[in-house]
Amino acid sequence: GAVVSQHPSRVICKSGTSVKIECRSLDFQATTMFWYRQFPKQSLMLMATSNEGSKATYEQGVEKDKFLINHASLTLSTLTVTSAHPEDSSFYICSARVPRRFGDTQYFGPGTRLTVL
Amino acid sequence: TQLLEQSPQFLSIQEGENLTVYCNSSSVFSSLQWYRQEPGEGPVLLVTVVTGGEVKKLKRLTFQFGDARKDSSLHITAAQPGDTGLYLCAGARRRAAGNKLTFGGGTRVLVKP
Repeated sequence: GAVVSQHPSRVICKSGTSVKIECRSLDFQATTMFWYRQFPKQSLMLMATSNEGSKATYEQGVEKDKFLINHASLTLSTLTVTSAHPEDSSFYICSARVPRRFGDTQYFGPGTRLTVL
Repeated sequence: TQLLEQSPQFLSIQEGENLTVYCNSSSVFSSLQWYRQEPGEGPVLLVTVVTGGEVKKLKRLTFQFGDARKDSSLHITAAQPGDTGLYLCAGARRRAAGNKLTFGGGTRVLVKP
């Protein structure tokens, strides 16, 4: 399967600071990546679709100025949580889409645990 | 409204028992993926099913895609403690904007030794 990495795996920051999370596809090129947020004991909630070379598409209710997404290359997408607050504390997971002739597949990164103090 | 309903939400069984997780929708999907996620980690892809009526087997795991491509099931035979985790189904619709996946609510499986 395709390998997706995320960095950092854990980050603790003070309220009001910004945090950048990187998502990389290691052995393939990904024109489309996705950013999810997951609360404890819940399923994944899609935040936005990151498209290489163009603006990200945000899901309803997700503030684009709060969660900045940049997909500058075919192997890297970044999510920046700006002016983080304790309610932004969560598990953030990215995935990369691998187009297949029959049925697209998404491969997920290991996730980033963000704690905002 | 959850487009993909997973059931049950939680399942606790003894090692050696069988279990089945269901994923149902009123929508048709072009493909459906099953993932397993362990605490503090990202979901790991188990299988992708694309053809209505398709059955795929991975060792003790059997995946089935409904004939109408609206539902799917995951059956585990002789469950082991290593099967413990959160199982997620996710459907893709060919014409969905941005090739997004629709996730089910997840089934938390606990296999006790």
